[in-house]
Amino acid sequence: DSGVTQTPKHLITATGQRVTLRCSPRSGDLSVYWYQQSLDQGLQFLIHYYNGEERAKGNILERFSAQQFPDLHSELNLSSLELGDSALYFCASSAQGGLAKNIQYFGAGTRLSVL
Amino acid sequence: SQKIEQNSEALNIQEGKTATLTCNYTNYSPAYLQWYRQDPGRGPVFLLLIRENEKEKRKERLKVTFDTTLKQSLFHITASQPADSATYLCALDVSGYSTLTFGKGTMLLVSP
Repeated sequence: DSGVTQTPKHLITATGQRVTLRCSPRSGDLSVYWYQQSLDQGLQFLIHYYNGEERAKGNILERFSAQQFPDLHSELNLSSLELGDSALYFCASSAQGGLAKNIQYFGAGTRLSVL
Repeated sequence: SQKIEQNSEALNIQEGKTATLTCNYTNYSPAYLQWYRQDPGRGPVFLLLIRENEKEKRKERLKVTFDTTLKQSLFHITASQPADSATYLCALDVSGYSTLTFGKGTMLLVSP
């Protein structure tokens, strides 16, 4: 168990809908990262938050947004969903300071199916 | 643009043999490189981190080498076991801000 909690485990929805994925990082970790994993694209970095502030953006679509709350949990919002958004979405967290900040601990993921 | 390449073909080996997986990268000089293991439908799990000034790192049956001239890392599992069967991902921080870029991974299958 990595200590990172993601909910829900599975999500089935229709095209055009909006969903929210939730992540609670390991106790004490201030950084949260979101990734999308599909069969053809591999693990793609979406966005990084540190202590409530956006730190870096990757290949995140404009239809997607995220935030990190004062209690450090994070939410990834996906809107106007398309079939191609079906994927596994992972959240990861890392400690701060030294090399430890570079090691990421992943949650079990949310499997999103858009029908 | 930065590229991280791992052999997309699965590696099949027999139990007890040494598995060697390769990670090649281009257009970047990372300060460190990481290896993760991923089981089907699960999140990646951190295995090892090696810095640019370290040629080799070991942890139990795992060994990683890092050749910054060749821009290559090799990941070895000695005395492999069926439980080692998984996909192994290498990752680099290409941004300098602790955000990782992952290779697509190599699937390892260890047969008894």
